[in-house]
Amino acid sequence: SQKIEQNSEALNIQEGKTATLTCNYTNYSPAYLQWYRQDPGRGPVFLLLIRENEKEKRKERLKVTFDTTLKQSLFHITASQPADSATYLCALDRRGYSSASKIIFGSGTRLSIRP
Amino acid sequence: ETGVTQSPTHLIKTRGQQVTLRCSSQSGHNTVSWYQQALGQGPQFIFQYYREEENGRGNFPPRFSGLQFPNYSSELNVNALELDDSALYLCASSLDLNTIYFGEGSWLTVV
Repeated sequence: SQKIEQNSEALNIQEGKTATLTCNYTNYSPAYLQWYRQDPGRGPVFLLLIRENEKEKRKERLKVTFDTTLKQSLFHITASQPADSATYLCALDRRGYSSASKIIFGSGTRLSIRP
Repeated sequence: ETGVTQSPTHLIKTRGQQVTLRCSSQSGHNTVSWYQQALGQGPQFIFQYYREEENGRGNFPPRFSGLQFPNYSSELNVNALELDDSALYLCASSLDLNTIYFGEGSWLTVV
């Protein structure tokens, strides 16, 4: 079955540096890969979606890459700020492989930005 | 604010009881999905509804059931509650599946 692995340890970054989070998956490549932010006790908030035929996507200080050969996505936050501290979830969208869109989430990486 | 509202926000139930969780999706969104998120884990897909029909199901037993209404709001029902059902239950709505909006979730504790 499909598996997703994210940085298992929490990530601590100095403010102003670039935070890089990793998402690796096994088996088949998804049609889409998504990144979400989740704050404690809150629902996930959609950040970015990247399609299998796209190598890179940017949105303000965020950048996502998608390497279907390595079966990996990297999520970068440049000029990180303490307000970026949260758990970041990677999710694979199997759309096209079944009759339903079924999103499979990783367990998330907790990011802490220290002032 | 995502426009997706869930109720109740917190509840405590006893093992063996039944629970109904409700979700009001963002206006016009015809697809609703439900997820279970245990502490420290990512959300696990339970099922999805599209225009009132179940349109996909994850690895959850039949005691997890759902409904979607003509106004696209939705319910998640769980029968014969078990201790392991304690989790955050998330509802997500979407229109074109490219952007998915989650509610804040319902925290269920089974004692």
